[in-house]
Amino acid sequence: GDSVTQMEGPVTLSEEAFLTINCTYTATGYPSLFWYVQYPGEGLQLLLKATKADDKGSNKGFEATYRKETTSFHLEKGSVQVSDSAVYFCALSRIYNQGGKLIFGQGTELSVKP
Amino acid sequence: SQTIHQWPATLVQPVGSPLSLECTVEGTSNPNLYWYRQAAGRGLQLLFYSVGIGQISSEVPQNLSASRPQDRQFILSSKKLLHSDSGFYLCAWTPGRGPYGYTFGSGTRLTVV
Repeated sequence: GDSVTQMEGPVTLSEEAFLTINCTYTATGYPSLFWYVQYPGEGLQLLLKATKADDKGSNKGFEATYRKETTSFHLEKGSVQVSDSAVYFCALSRIYNQGGKLIFGQGTELSVKP
Repeated sequence: SQTIHQWPATLVQPVGSPLSLECTVEGTSNPNLYWYRQAAGRGLQLLFYSVGIGQISSEVPQNLSASRPQDRQFILSSKKLLHSDSGFYLCAWTPGRGPYGYTFGSGTRLTVV
């Protein structure tokens, strides 16, 4: 079945460091891919998305490119801030099947130190 | 604009007591609705989803049930809570088939004591 695998956390970085959180997926066909962010005690917020191969999603300085050849959707940011500390979830959706439900990775906790 | 409301924010219930969590969406019609549970390990488990009134799909057998009595209302229930039902419950919606992603509610922290 469809699945999403994220790199293990927690990831600890200093402010202004470069961030990469790896995400790979297994799915037939052409799923849509998403990154969600969860701040402490809150629900999840959509960070960015890509709906077809080679699409780049971007938001708030974060970017991720849909790579079908490597089945990956790695999240990157050039210079992280303390306010980026959160848990990040990669997800995929087979939009036209089963109510468009999302399949999530396990989440990667990011901690940014001043 | 569309908004999603979920309540209560926190809940402490004794083992064996009933549960009712409510989620409503405003500003849209015929949304797809979802209930997720997030246990202590942070993973998100899809519990139920609904593509229309009275249409409920269950993802895993469990002590919980869901209902959709109105187009924009989604209710998660239990007749008798177990300790293992503790967790963070999240409701979400999407406009329907298409690459929209989910919009999540703010969640309910349930502790069964």
